[in-house]
Amino acid sequence: AQSVTQPDIHITVSEGASLELRCNYSYGATPYLFWYVQSPGQGLQLLLKYFSGDTLVQGIKGFEAEFKRSQSSFNLRKPSVHWSDAAEYFCAVGQSGGYNKLIFGAGTRLAVHP
Amino acid sequence: ETGVTQSPTHLIKTRGQQVTLRCSSQSGHNTVSWYQQALGQGPQFIFQYYREEENGRGNFPPRFSGLQFPNYSSELNVNALELDDSALYLCASSQQGNNGELFFGEGSRLTVL
Repeated sequence: AQSVTQPDIHITVSEGASLELRCNYSYGATPYLFWYVQSPGQGLQLLLKYFSGDTLVQGIKGFEAEFKRSQSSFNLRKPSVHWSDAAEYFCAVGQSGGYNKLIFGAGTRLAVHP
Repeated sequence: ETGVTQSPTHLIKTRGQQVTLRCSSQSGHNTVSWYQQALGQGPQFIFQYYREEENGRGNFPPRFSGLQFPNYSSELNVNALELDDSALYLCASSQQGNNGELFFGEGSRLTVL
C-alpha cells in the first residue's frame, strides 16, 4: 500500500539557517511527489512537484527537493530560512494516470527562531 | 483567476446531526476532491468528483456523500455525525488528468459536540 512518512514531527531552526525536511514514500511504480505548505488556519499551498526528469526540482519561495529513488525519499530543502517560513509542511504521493488522489504524510511543523 | 472557495468556514454541530459543506472550484477546473484533516494529521482523501460523478473514494463510510454540479462546484454531506468527524474539511480542484496538482481552499472547520 502507498504511504508517506515524515519522520520529524517538529523542527526548530534559526532564521538564516539551512533547512531539510525529510520525506520517505512507499509506492510500487514511479511516484508523483509533492510538497505542500499550510500556514495556521489556511489551506494547502503547493511548493513543488516531481513527475519525471531532473531529480532536483525547484519550487516557490526558494525551496527545492531532490528525488532519490534508491532511498525512496523526496526531501525538501532551503538554504536560508526566513521567519515567514514557519508553517506545517506536508509531503504527498500521487498516482499516475490522471487520478488525483494524494496520500499525505502526517506533516512536519517548522518553527523559526529570530 | 478565482481560487477555490469554501463555506462555511466554521460550524458546530451535535452528534447525530447532518452537515453540508460547499466548495466552488477554481476557474477552468473540472475535478473536485475532498479531504478530511483531523487535528495534528495530514489530509486524508474522502472522494473525488468528475463530470458530476464520483470517480474515486477513500476509506470513508457511506454516510459521507457528495455532489458535483454542472458548474463544477461541489458539496460534501455527512450524515449521523460522530465526534470523530470533527476536523478541517478541505476541498481541492484540479483539471482531470493533471496528475495530482491540486489547488486547495482554506477549508471548513467542523466541530461535533
